[in-house]
Amino acid sequence: GAGVSQSPSNKVTEKGKDVELRCDPISGHTALYWYRQRLGQGLEFLIYFQGNSAPDKSGLPSDRFSAERTGESVSTLTIQRTQQEDSAVYLCASSFLGANTEAFFGQGTRLTVV
Amino acid sequence: EDKVVQSPLSLVVHEGDTVTLNCSYEVTNFRSLLWYKQEKKAPTFLFMLTSSGIEKKSGRLSSILDKKELFSILNITATQTGDSAVYLCAVHNTNAGKSTFGDGTTLTVKP
Repeated sequence: GAGVSQSPSNKVTEKGKDVELRCDPISGHTALYWYRQRLGQGLEFLIYFQGNSAPDKSGLPSDRFSAERTGESVSTLTIQRTQQEDSAVYLCASSFLGANTEAFFGQGTRLTVV
Repeated sequence: EDKVVQSPLSLVVHEGDTVTLNCSYEVTNFRSLLWYKQEKKAPTFLFMLTSSGIEKKSGRLSSILDKKELFSILNITATQTGDSAVYLCAVHNTNAGKSTFGDGTTLTVKP
């Protein structure tokens, strides 16, 4: 596609429910990143994919968070048993190779846990 | 633990002013430093810096890196209201995917 696409753009969920966030990276980009941004704060690294493998999952805040990527394209970030502290904007980015190249960001998913 | 500190946290200027935004970092195995502009949700790329002392320039924006003192600055000259945004600094280490962002500087340019 022309840019990184994320869906849904907004999600309101009840505490304890599971949510799934989707990211479609730019076609041909092998690297994909997920970040979390709380209000007024910088981006918090969650996970990085190179192709379909995730060499760095160090940023996932708890075992309620998981992510997968299939076909070197679409990625989903799943949050199980959501908590109010999970409320944030979840941003996805992709790049051609990895950390030494420019990353292109999607518009994010604003998650609100009530 | 890798750390990126940006200053000031916020800045209000008038159109035409020149601003300097700061980013200092502590990171193991530094690879590159990137500046992004975030207006609504999606940050957009401004500069990537890997070598000390080489200025990158794009229109009214410029940036430089000092790897000895571990900081970078982003300059914006002749500011315009459209420059109002959050400016984010990010540092990559050689662990290919890991990046650390600062909390950003919120710039407001008043007409």
